[in-house]
Amino acid sequence: GDSVTQMEGPVTLSEEAFLTINCTYTATGYPSLFWYVQYPGEGLQLLLKATKADDKGSNKGFEATYRKETTSFHLEKGSVQVSDSAVYFCALSVAGTYKYIFGTGTRLKVLA
Amino acid sequence: DSGVTQTPKHLITATGQRVTLRCSPRSGDLSVYWYQQSLDQGLQFLIQYYNGEERAKGNILERFSAQQFPDLHSELNLSSLELGDSALYFCASSVGEVTDTQYFGPGTRLTVL
Repeated sequence: GDSVTQMEGPVTLSEEAFLTINCTYTATGYPSLFWYVQYPGEGLQLLLKATKADDKGSNKGFEATYRKETTSFHLEKGSVQVSDSAVYFCALSVAGTYKYIFGTGTRLKVLA
Repeated sequence: DSGVTQTPKHLITATGQRVTLRCSPRSGDLSVYWYQQSLDQGLQFLIQYYNGEERAKGNILERFSAQQFPDLHSELNLSSLELGDSALYFCASSVGEVTDTQYFGPGTRLTVL
C-alpha cells in the first residue's frame, strides 16, 4: 500500500550546519509530496510541496526535490538556525484516492 | 494563524466519560480532517469529511465518531474514554478533497484521568 518512510530522529545539529532529512515513499498512483513543520506547542504547517516529478519545492531556505526514480523527497537546508528546531513531517497525497499519508516525523534540535 | 479554530484548547476528564471537540475550518475550505497525535504513535489520521460527507476513514476507534455540519464546522465525539485516549487532537482543513495543502488548527489537548 501507499506509505511514507522518514529517517528516525532526533537529529541534533549545531547552528549553521547542513541539514538533510530523508523521506522515501511508496505510491501506486502519481502522488503530490509535502513537507510540514510543527513548532513546539503548535499545529502542523506546510513548509513546501511538489506535485510532479523533478519539481523542487522551496521555502524559508529549505528545499526538496521530487525524485521519481528513487521515490524520494529529501528535505535540505544549507545552514540551520536555532529557530528551525521543530518536528518535520513528510507526507503524500494521491489524487482520486482520498489518501493523505504522513510519515512519523523527525525531530530536529539545533544548538547555538 | 492558519485560520482553523479548535475548541476547547485543553480538556481534562475521567475514564468512561464522553467529550466533544469542535473545529471550524478556514473560510472557503470544504474538507475537514481529524488527527490524533500521541507521543508513542505519532500523527494518526482518523477521518475526513468533504462538504458534509464522510470521505475517508483511518485508524478511528468505534468509540469515536465525527460529523460535518451544513455550515462546514465539524465535531469529533469521543466516548467511553480510556487513559490511552489522552493525546493532542488536531483538525485540519483544505479547499478540495485530497491533494490540497492542509491547514492545521492549534489542537485540543485531551487528558483522561
